[in-house]
Amino acid sequence: GENVEQHPSTLSVQEGDSAVIKCTYSDSASNYFPWYKQELGKRPQLIIDIRSNVGEKKDQRIAVTLNKTAKHFSLHITETQPEDSAVYFCAAFGGKTSYDKVIFGPGTSLSVIP
Amino acid sequence: DAGVIQSPRHEVTEMGQEVTLRCKPISGHDYLFWYRQTMMRGLELLIYFNNNVPIDDSGMPEDRFSAKMPNASFSTLKIQPSEPRDSAVYFCASSLQGNYFEAFFGQGTRLTVV
Repeated sequence: GENVEQHPSTLSVQEGDSAVIKCTYSDSASNYFPWYKQELGKRPQLIIDIRSNVGEKKDQRIAVTLNKTAKHFSLHITETQPEDSAVYFCAAFGGKTSYDKVIFGPGTSLSVIP
Repeated sequence: DAGVIQSPRHEVTEMGQEVTLRCKPISGHDYLFWYRQTMMRGLELLIYFNNNVPIDDSGMPEDRFSAKMPNASFSTLKIQPSEPRDSAVYFCASSLQGNYFEAFFGQGTRLTVV
């Protein structure tokens, strides 16, 4: 089945710096790649997503890039703030083995140090 | 809509007891997912339903786990008998089919088996 890997598992940055989280997927037919943010003690929530027909998408301080050839995609957070501290999950969807189910990566715990 | 509603929010039970977790998906959503979250294993997909029909239960860890969806507005996840290693946060999520769709999570049930 689909396998999603995510790196790093933990990340600490100074407030104002950028943070980058990378994910790889195994099913070349996957065509939708969402990112979820989970604050401590809360539920995961979608923050941004990208479809296979585009290479980059931006929403204010966050952006996602996709390289379908290499089967990897990345989340970029610029000008990080303490409220960005959370666990971030990437996911792949729509492939031959995960046509209609969201398979999450293992997560990255981001800490933004004031 | 109030979103995905799970109950109870917290459950403490003794080993060997039966545990039932409940979920009410968002009205109109046709997919329902049960996830288990632990520090060691992240977000694991246990089972998911489409139009009340179980599609993939390959993530259910053992026969002690079972899930039902008797109608479009209710699902249960049952563990019988429960064991300490079942302690985790269990999330229910629902979504609406399309080429790409967002999974909306409930608040989760924190299960502790002592």
